[in-house]
Amino acid sequence: QKEVEQDPGPLSVPEGAIVSLNCTYSNSAFQYFMWYRQYSRKGPELLMYTYSSGNKEDGRFTAQVDKSSKYISLFIRDSQPSDSATYLCAGGGGGGADGLTFGKGTHLIIQP
Amino acid sequence: AAGVIQSPRHLIKEKRETATLKCYPIPRHDTVYWYQQGPGQDPQFLISFYEKMQSDKGSIPDRFSAQQFSDYHSELNMSSLELGDSALYFCASSLEGTGHGYTFGSGTRLTVV
Repeated sequence: QKEVEQDPGPLSVPEGAIVSLNCTYSNSAFQYFMWYRQYSRKGPELLMYTYSSGNKEDGRFTAQVDKSSKYISLFIRDSQPSDSATYLCAGGGGGGADGLTFGKGTHLIIQP
Repeated sequence: AAGVIQSPRHLIKEKRETATLKCYPIPRHDTVYWYQQGPGQDPQFLISFYEKMQSDKGSIPDRFSAQQFSDYHSELNMSSLELGDSALYFCASSLEGTGHGYTFGSGTRLTVV
């Protein structure tokens, strides 16, 4: 079992809809979580990071972490065609410069 | 704002050749990570460096080596290249302890023929 599981999609929604992207993880040592957006042939760009359970909001994006169920979510409000990309979740933990463990990414398509 | 710079952007090598990829982190970032992303795959962590010392090691083949230099740039050396090494290689940097996440470069696309 991969440490971070993510439905690869594709997930297709109409413009303006609320998008919900989800990941589950199995490594209890993870202390922080991140969401990245990756456009085709580009490097992933950091969207959100969270350290603890709860919600974190940044503009149209809300990241949610539930450590009790090992479940992380990213919500996108008022989705735009420019949000069409692959969204990667990642978990990290421990001290020092640890690497991240990524999910496989969810391909999101926002239909105009 | 300065970003993470990777060079070259594209590289074509033949089997059994050697390749060197370079990564220049964001100024003052002290930590560098290398990731490999094969076609249709999620990025796999290879290796990281903190203050010029190797700090973590992932699924990096023995044929690969890396180091971080005094100016904090890093190089990934890949020898005896195989067809399966064809991938996008990302470098990311961070400032340890700030919790600001990682900034990725645009990647080097390596094609082994």
